[in-house]
Amino acid sequence: DTEVTQTPKHLVMGMTNKKSLKCEQHMGHRAMYWYKQKAKKPPELMFVYSYEKLSINESVPSRFSPECPNSSLLNLHLHALQPEDSALYLCASSQEVAMNTEAFFGQGTRLTVV
Amino acid sequence: GNSVTQMEGPVTLSEEAFLTINCTYTATGYPSLFWYVQYPGEGLQLLLKATKADDKGSNKGFEATYRKETTSFHLEKGSVQVSDSAVYFCALSSRNTGNQFYFGTGTSLTVIP
Repeated sequence: DTEVTQTPKHLVMGMTNKKSLKCEQHMGHRAMYWYKQKAKKPPELMFVYSYEKLSINESVPSRFSPECPNSSLLNLHLHALQPEDSALYLCASSQEVAMNTEAFFGQGTRLTVV
Repeated sequence: GNSVTQMEGPVTLSEEAFLTINCTYTATGYPSLFWYVQYPGEGLQLLLKATKADDKGSNKGFEATYRKETTSFHLEKGSVQVSDSAVYFCALSSRNTGNQFYFGTGTSLTVIP
């Protein structure tokens, strides 16, 4: 099983809403990532978790709050977003941050902020 | 620091044409190199990888060779199909930077029948 599952696939939310994106993998990977991708652009790193601890935060605004409840799950909590936050949010996992191995990506959540 | 420079697109080819997408990199240490493909509305799929100099990654008729002397990892395919139409991203990861993935800007490929 080389799958990273993200839910929901699509999300429309208002600027005052609170919502969460979910990501799950069962490959035993200990590194998990959140990326943001705008149209026609490469993915931009937001957060890296290593062994369920936040290891990299790329200066992401606090309206994005990551959480790693266990080694298989990664959440991204959203609150008071802006329309410019509309994008494809991608979750990925890899074996460990200390290894140069490939990352497996989910299908993404297409987020629209209205 | 680490970075990837990728050939600008878009690229339009006829079916069965030869494809090359250029990719060069700058990295500290010994990175691994990857090509990912993204079909419309989907996430990224790993196409191929190479973890050390002179390694050749290959998959589905695509190939790329890790060239340390020219810091390059060009993607090639001898005969493209309509189904190869997608965006292709060159990427590197390095344990020196916590296995962060650095992506090129992406190259959009359209193959016409």
